Amino acid sequence: GAVVSQHPSWVICKSGTSVKIECRSLDFQATTMFWYRQFPKQSLMLMATSNEGSKATYEQGVEKDKFLINHASLTLSTLTVTSAHPEDSSFYICSAPQPGEQYFGPGTRLTVT
Amino acid sequence: SQQGEEDPQALSIQEGENATMNCSYKTSINNLQWYRQNSGRGLVHLILIRSNEREKHSGRLRVTLDTSKKSSSLLITASRAADTASYFCATDRRAGGTSYGKLTFGQGTILTVHP
Repeated sequence: GAVVSQHPSWVICKSGTSVKIECRSLDFQATTMFWYRQFPKQSLMLMATSNEGSKATYEQGVEKDKFLINHASLTLSTLTVTSAHPEDSSFYICSAPQPGEQYFGPGTRLTVT
Repeated sequence: SQQGEEDPQALSIQEGENATMNCSYKTSINNLQWYRQNSGRGLVHLILIRSNEREKHSGRLRVTLDTSKKSSSLLITASRAADTASYFCATDRRAGGTSYGKLTFGQGTILTVHP
């Protein structure tokens, strides 16, 4: 099946710094990718839709200036958490749709200290 | 966004037993999907059932969908210790027959299968 990778798999950063997370579709092109966030022992919540060549669309309550999304190519979307705070610590997962299925990346564990 | 409800929140069984998890949702759907997540890992797609289907099988998995009650169930037969994971249902908001849409996830069921 199709493969989606994420990098890094985990990251620890200090409060106030920015962190970039990459999501790549390895063997297919994805004009659309989705970013989800999962807090410990909770479900996944959709944050935003990443659109190749255009602006991302954000779900209600998600700050677009804090979570910058860039979908510069058909195989890469990046999520940058700017001025990270401890409450941003979470598991971030991307997905890319293909006909009949969505493929999820392995996730990135972000810890802000 | 609306979140579906799943029950039970946690399920503990012995190897060989069957495990049944239920999911309810609130809006009209195009399809409903079940995913598995091992602790701290990504999601694995298990099965997709379309809104015009009532039951679907895949190996030891059986999924039912009742659109009149806005509910679905996932049955895992003859469970194994390796089935221990969290299981989520997800509904696809986008119209059409394929899974291209934004997914709304249920709260999940934590399944523990004891050897």
